[in-house]
Amino acid sequence: DQQVKQNSPSLSVQEGRISILNCDYTNSMFDYFLWYKKYPAEGPTFLISISSIKDKNEDGRFTVFLNKSAKHLSLHIVPSQPGDSAVYFCAATRFGAGNNRKLIWGLGTSLAVNP
Amino acid sequence: ETGVTQTPRHLVMGMTNKKSLKCEQHLGHNAMYWYKQSAKKPLELMFVYNFKEQTENNSVPSRFSPECPNSSHLFLHLHTLQPEDSALYLCASSQGQWSSYNEQFFGPGTRLTVL
Repeated sequence: DQQVKQNSPSLSVQEGRISILNCDYTNSMFDYFLWYKKYPAEGPTFLISISSIKDKNEDGRFTVFLNKSAKHLSLHIVPSQPGDSAVYFCAATRFGAGNNRKLIWGLGTSLAVNP
Repeated sequence: ETGVTQTPRHLVMGMTNKKSLKCEQHLGHNAMYWYKQSAKKPLELMFVYNFKEQTENNSVPSRFSPECPNSSHLFLHLHTLQPEDSALYLCASSQGQWSSYNEQFFGPGTRLTVL
């Protein structure tokens, strides 16, 4: 049973427009959510995070919105650039046994930004 | 060298071979992770070491054997693998497994093919 779901395997947008990547989760105990970006032949790199006590976090062109009641978060990229073309992973975390955390990952959404 | 490095980047091995994957982090982190990424599956956490102590073994078959001699180095010893073990193996590190949201830094991965 997947606790973090990214239901769109791929997304294509025009350069300069907004990209919206969505993520749903099932476990209400998650208290931090993270977005990672992955280029081919590289490991994922951290992009932006949000605490469950907030509903929005912004960093330059990237904004993450959290709707706790819907157990839904989204990553907005404005304006989208061709260099943003990558796979985007949503991940969630909470404290587990022994006060240790681990990340629970979605399947990823492949974003293509067309010039 | 900076960040997280992994060697080799590509590995082809037969089912009877023994090989090792190496990961090194230059970030002064205390936690290190092995993940497996297979097609159409989320990132699967395999092992976690926190201050050189193994804190997670996610029901990984014994043909995978991790070793963490110090906080900067992590190995994955491979023995009598199966073709279904072919995947991208990613190493990551973080400040510590307890840290606020456990942002993890990834290496580029080792693409493993088992014949």
